[in-house]
Amino acid sequence: DAKTTQPNSMESNEEEPVHLPCNHSTISGTDYIHWYRQLPSQGPEYVIHGLTSNVNNRMASLAIAEDRKSSTLILHRATLRDAAVYYCILYNQGGKLIFGQGTELSVKP
Amino acid sequence: NAGVMQNPRHLVRRRGQEARLRCSPMKGHSHVYWYRQLPEEGLKFMVYLQKENIIDESGMPKERFSAEFPKEGPSILRIQQVVRGDSAAYFCASSPTSGLGWGNIQYFGAGTRLSVL
Repeated sequence: DAKTTQPNSMESNEEEPVHLPCNHSTISGTDYIHWYRQLPSQGPEYVIHGLTSNVNNRMASLAIAEDRKSSTLILHRATLRDAAVYYCILYNQGGKLIFGQGTELSVKP
Repeated sequence: NAGVMQNPRHLVRRRGQEARLRCSPMKGHSHVYWYRQLPEEGLKFMVYLQKENIIDESGMPKERFSAEFPKEGPSILRIQQVVRGDSAAYFCASSPTSGLGWGNIQYFGAGTRLSVL
């Protein structure tokens, strides 16, 4: 399974944008890039996913590099409720998600 | 539309007892996945089931653990003769399809926290 690399932790101020990077240099052509997050004491929650083009939804935006070897999850205005562990996952077949260590995002008021 | 329901939320067992964890997928979802999160560790895939079939159990410990997803009723993760090392949060997820071709989205429950005394 293709591997992703994320910073262990990041800090943000409330109401400022947050850019969470993910490197996936061994991505294959059929791998989708998925982002999930896990708030404290909760189950993971789907955030966004994409294949080649940038994607937007009500929660976040996903910017995918042209060579697809990296991507960035963008939270446009961080709130205290966005404090969570964010996981970048490559997915190309039905079945299991392989979670790495993720990035622990803390948001300061 | 109710989300993925897991029960119980908290389960306490003594060593050697059995633990049964239940998961009701979202309405219309026929694919169920179980994950385990040990204290201070990441989420690890355990098993993937469709109705009445185990599709992938590559993450399941070979002994004491079993899972089923019957035609009627919730999916069950069963742990026999629990040991302290089984203490963890167990999460269930469901999806409407296997998602090939467009990228599968899995919807997770709140988890069952198992404590083995």
